[in-house]
Amino acid sequence: DAGVTQSPTHLIKTRGQQVTLRCSPKSGHDTVSWYQQALGQGPQFIFQYYEEEERQRGNFPDRFSGHQFPNYSSELNVNALLLGDSALYLCASRRGGAGQPQHFGDGTRLSIL
Amino acid sequence: GQQLNQSPQSMFIQEGEDVSMNCTSSSIFNTWLWYKQDPGEGPVLLIALYKAGELTSNGRLTAQFGITRKDSFLNISASIPSDVGIYFCAGPPGSSNTGKLIFGQGTTLQVKP
Repeated sequence: DAGVTQSPTHLIKTRGQQVTLRCSPKSGHDTVSWYQQALGQGPQFIFQYYEEEERQRGNFPDRFSGHQFPNYSSELNVNALLLGDSALYLCASRRGGAGQPQHFGDGTRLSIL
Repeated sequence: GQQLNQSPQSMFIQEGEDVSMNCTSSSIFNTWLWYKQDPGEGPVLLIALYKAGELTSNGRLTAQFGITRKDSFLNISASIPSDVGIYFCAGPPGSSNTGKLIFGQGTTLQVKP
């Protein structure tokens, strides 16, 4: 039973570019959340997708957008990259419903030059 | 916004020692989660707590949901080298039970063989 898988593992971009990160949820999970983890910090919630719609959003600008596909997989898009966007981007999935814990992937390490 | 404060920030202990760390908030949480993150990997769920006063064990790990709903504790007994990593507490803010999780800043544990 595969867990949450993310691609790519590492990515290097330059300021102003755009990036797309991908996530496949754990089997049986239908809800996907994205988090940004800066070095030495805990993860920060970006947004959550359920039934192909953004359901909740954290304190991130509109440059951060996402999508969920019918097979529950998800993408995170970031436009006009800034140096401060350098971080580990984590995807988490869970089964919809109250109290279901989230399971995390190993993340995509994004470096902005 | 709601914040979770973890202490201590880091610990350096001898193999075989017991470890205790805690997490506090200025507001109530209805769920407390403890995750462990190893270098280059995503957080892995260790223990989930859903009721005030609840005490739950997972092998050598024991966690408690504080009676005030504003704190939680994680204890590790007889530490071993593979316990090394960063431990995060997390929870959904307020009365929500949705995807958004707030994380503490983490407690870094180092174990000397």
